[in-house]
Amino acid sequence: RKEVEQDPGPFNVPEGATVAFNCTYSNSASQSFFWYRQDCRKEPKLLMSVYSSGNEDGRFTAQLNRASQYISLLIRDSKLSDSATYLCVGEASYGNKLVFGAGTILRVKS
Amino acid sequence: DGGITQSPKYLFRKEGQNVTLSCEQNLNHDAMYWYRQDPGQGLRLIYYSQIVNDFQKGDIAEGYSVSREKKESFPLTVTSAQKNPTAFYLCATSGQANEKLFFGSGTQLSVL
Repeated sequence: RKEVEQDPGPFNVPEGATVAFNCTYSNSASQSFFWYRQDCRKEPKLLMSVYSSGNEDGRFTAQLNRASQYISLLIRDSKLSDSATYLCVGEASYGNKLVFGAGTILRVKS
Repeated sequence: DGGITQSPKYLFRKEGQNVTLSCEQNLNHDAMYWYRQDPGQGLRLIYYSQIVNDFQKGDIAEGYSVSREKKESFPLTVTSAQKNPTAFYLCATSGQANEKLFFGSGTQLSVL
């Protein structure tokens, strides 16, 4: 089983829609979680850190559910420019390092 | 201008050749990482270093080597033992282990 798993999508949504991605993780002791955004053939860029109490940044909301071991990303009022691959990140079970999910593709259409 | 500089942007390797990818940072970060990304896939960790003169193998270290002689620099050598080197290579840094990562702009390596 992969340490961090995501639905690869693609999620095809119209502009203005609300879309949510989930990401499950296997390391119950993980303290650090992040969402990154990656455009085609570019480097990933940090979108949000994920805090235990949940956190919001404009149209983006991240939540952590420790009981079910998943993190989520909610995007409200989707824009064309939100089209990208979204990567979730957690801590590996062994070694002091982070591990990436394979990414979820979002396509926002007009 | 603070950041992470990867070079070259594109690199071509002939069969049997070793090639070295450069990663330099001026963020004063202790930890540095090398990832490989294949089309449609996530990032896989090749090597990482949490302090100068020390580094650890990641999940796919075979066919690669690194050095960390200076805090600012973490070069990656793709050796001839790596039989399928075509991929997008990303260098990243963090202040400490398990903190948020900052990435360079990547190197696309292809085989001639």
